[in-house]
Amino acid sequence: QQQVKQSPQSLIVQKGGISIINCAYENTAFDYFPWYQQFPGKGPALLIAIRPDVSEKKEGRFTISFNKSAKQFSLHIMDSQPGDSATYFCAASISGDMRFGAGTRLTVKP
Amino acid sequence: GAVVSQHPSRVICKSGTSVKIECRSLDFQATTMFWYRQFPKQSLMLMATSNEGSKATYEQGVEKDKFLINHASLTLSTLTVTSAHPEDSSFYICSARDGVTNEKLFFGSGTQLSVL
Repeated sequence: QQQVKQSPQSLIVQKGGISIINCAYENTAFDYFPWYQQFPGKGPALLIAIRPDVSEKKEGRFTISFNKSAKQFSLHIMDSQPGDSATYFCAASISGDMRFGAGTRLTVKP
Repeated sequence: GAVVSQHPSRVICKSGTSVKIECRSLDFQATTMFWYRQFPKQSLMLMATSNEGSKATYEQGVEKDKFLINHASLTLSTLTVTSAHPEDSSFYICSARDGVTNEKLFFGSGTQLSVL
């Protein structure tokens, strides 16, 4: 049973464009929603995270939008750069028990 | 951010041998560590949850006698793939949960295991 559904599976964006990755969850008990960035051959790195009492969090070019009523959250990458090309995983956690989305392979074309 | 060190980064071994992978939290204590397996272009598959000083909890379908996990201290967990076979070839990743917030998860850099 996949508790966190992520889309799209892959995404191609032009340099300077906005990359948007979406996730949806079912369990309203989730209380922590991080995003991870993974480069080939490396482990995932925590990018940005949000809690359900906040609707938006911004860190540099990365923004999480959170819609509690719709049980959805998304990652926006502004001014996307070729160096952002990686796989992105959303996740949802209850007291540290984390469930991951299937991942989105982002390619930013120069 | 917190650092999790995983070694080795790559290992090639012969079929039938055992391989040990180490996962260390360098600047924080991790009462809980996790081991994942990742196939190319796929998501992380949780194999087991490791708690310091107690037996690991394995996910359904993961052979605990084949994938031995030891979490002897608050900063070290090891995964031993026993009698490795070619089908065990995969990318193995560990993570450690921050014991203060008990929610942030930090990942090691992964180990690419190739069994010949």
